Amino acid sequence: AQSVTQLDSQVPVFEEAPVELRCNYSSSVSVYLFWYVQYPNQGLQLLLKYLSGSTLVESINGFEAEFNKSQTSFHLRKPSVHISDTAEYFCAVSLYNFNKFYFGSGTKLNVKP
Amino acid sequence: GAGVSQSPRYKVTKRGQDVTLRCDPISSHATLYWYQQALGQGPEFLTYFNYEAQPDKSGLPSDRFSAERPEGSISTLTIQRTEQRDSAMYRCASSVDTYNEQFFGPGTRLTVL
Repeated sequence: AQSVTQLDSQVPVFEEAPVELRCNYSSSVSVYLFWYVQYPNQGLQLLLKYLSGSTLVESINGFEAEFNKSQTSFHLRKPSVHISDTAEYFCAVSLYNFNKFYFGSGTKLNVKP
Repeated sequence: GAGVSQSPRYKVTKRGQDVTLRCDPISSHATLYWYQQALGQGPEFLTYFNYEAQPDKSGLPSDRFSAERPEGSISTLTIQRTEQRDSAMYRCASSVDTYNEQFFGPGTRLTVL
């Protein structure tokens, strides 16, 4: 069975500080990995994804995540956060056929001025 | 349409009543997903459609839950004889096909009193 663990339910951080949101998964088969972001009063939006190739993937707004197969992790990082990054972030995995996604419980990132 | 829309955005009902939630996907998208998200949790897969076919409904929690997509576009999720444990955010997502990114709607917040 597949599962996704986001240990941190809330992460407070000051503006311009670095941040890491942790995601670990368990699966007996190969998976694809995703980070989704939900801004207040909006739907979930894809932030970045790992399907194959380079284990380091980047988003257009400065986030990056690295797939670590040995540690079954896909942590999300940003070297300097902005107020506008305040949102809830969900890690997700899917099996090779993409038919079913398994989401973590989410991490609320609160960026303070 | 420009994005995935869901209606109503909020629904309050009494225990034992039936409710029907609606999802209007992006017009070119063949695949449509339904998720249930309890408070403080990530979305959990309920079912999905490829056009009007429903290949997987393994996530539906009981036979009180059913979903339709009769013409391969708009979908409805019906919960019969609602119970308080059905209170949750119900999210719909659509994608070009099962191998591409899912685009999420804003969700319907269901409260069963």
